[in-house]
Amino acid sequence: GAVVSQHPSWVICKSGTSVKIECRSLDFQATTMFWYRQFPKQSLMLMATSNEGSKATYEQGVEKDKFLINHASLTLSTLTVTSAHPEDSSFYICSAEGRGSYNEQFFGPGTRLTVL
Amino acid sequence: SQQGEEDPQALSIQEGENATMNCSYKTSINNLQWYRQNSGRGLVHLILIRSNEREKHSGRLRVTLDTSKKSSSLLITASRAADTASYFCATAFTDKLIFGTGTRLQVFP
Repeated sequence: GAVVSQHPSWVICKSGTSVKIECRSLDFQATTMFWYRQFPKQSLMLMATSNEGSKATYEQGVEKDKFLINHASLTLSTLTVTSAHPEDSSFYICSAEGRGSYNEQFFGPGTRLTVL
Repeated sequence: SQQGEEDPQALSIQEGENATMNCSYKTSINNLQWYRQNSGRGLVHLILIRSNEREKHSGRLRVTLDTSKKSSSLLITASRAADTASYFCATAFTDKLIFGTGTRLQVFP
């Protein structure tokens, strides 16, 4: 089946540093990848949609300069949280959609970010 | 906000009982999906029901969809302790999934 991995699974960093999270589709080509954020005991909120080779589309209220998304290949998207602050601590989940699988997203296991 | 709402927010039942969760949404949809999330983990896709379908079954899961009321329900029959998790509905219209607020299900052995 379609497998999506994320790395790292958890990360702790100091306030002001940048953190990069990778999302990979392991056995299919992901034309579109999505990044979500989930605060404790809350639902997933879509942050941005990225298509391979083009700029990401950010949801309203998400700072594109703070959350840098790169989708350089059909199997890899990265989310970089720049100048992280404690309020950025959250669970970040990516998903990937393959060619011809409209609305069928395969989710990664998530990355727990804690900013001290 | 376009986010859907689920109720109840939390549900506690005994093993063997049925669990019903409801989802209401606000926009037109292509399909509606249900996911399960164990604490601190990623999402597991459970079932997808298209806008022209009214009911769908998968094992112990039964999903209904009423597009006129913009609502869906997920029924888990003969629940097990392993069903303990958060359950989310997600509506799809364009290329995005909009998740509901979720129901936390606790099944006691």
